[in-house]
Amino acid sequence: GAGVSQSPRYKVAKRGQDVALRCDPISGHVSLFWYQQALGQGPEFLTYFQNEAQLDKSGLPSDRFFAERPEGSVSTLKIQRTQQEDSAVYLCASSLMDSSYEQYFGPGTRLTVT
Amino acid sequence: GNSVTQMEGPVTLSEEAFLTINCTYTATGYPSLFWYVQYPGEGLQLLLKATKADDKGSNKGFEATYRKETTSFHLEKGSVQVSDSAVYFCALSDSGGGADGLTFGKGTHLIIQP
Repeated sequence: GAGVSQSPRYKVAKRGQDVALRCDPISGHVSLFWYQQALGQGPEFLTYFQNEAQLDKSGLPSDRFFAERPEGSVSTLKIQRTQQEDSAVYLCASSLMDSSYEQYFGPGTRLTVT
Repeated sequence: GNSVTQMEGPVTLSEEAFLTINCTYTATGYPSLFWYVQYPGEGLQLLLKATKADDKGSNKGFEATYRKETTSFHLEKGSVQVSDSAVYFCALSDSGGGADGLTFGKGTHLIIQP
């Protein structure tokens, strides 16, 4: 079946612009995660949803970052007033709440802030 | 807080060589441990996992054993192939992995030469 999809795959933004990154999880997956991966680093957790409820947003680096999943399926990560340090690959993952607990990752959105 | 430390790369080996990529972790409680792999141009994929002490995860000829006494989860393969060239990430989760964010190491770039 279809995996996790993300759009756009690449985004270039001028400093100060707002951006919106979309994640379509695997159908039926209850859990959804966002990660930020800087160049040469491992992914870092940003936030976690269970259905439409945002249960953990402890990893969001500032109040410029906002995530939503209003209907418990598609999620959007929004970054306001982008800064150069926001340049990274943003990964989305989804998971069933079953014993396997495997997170399935999307291909990521590469954000470059100029 | 949780953290994962893995050996830095790149690691360059010849085909059929023995592989070890070291991974140690710091966590409260009893985390689940994972190895993820990222092949060139592809997204992160789960390679193997272990959910309790002394468990051995295995897949595609790779193995890793959850060692609580040394807080380690080293990845091994007896005979590597060129197709194993990728970036490998060690990760942990406080739950089974589907209900909270993963904590990743920085990744180890593995290069296998024919």
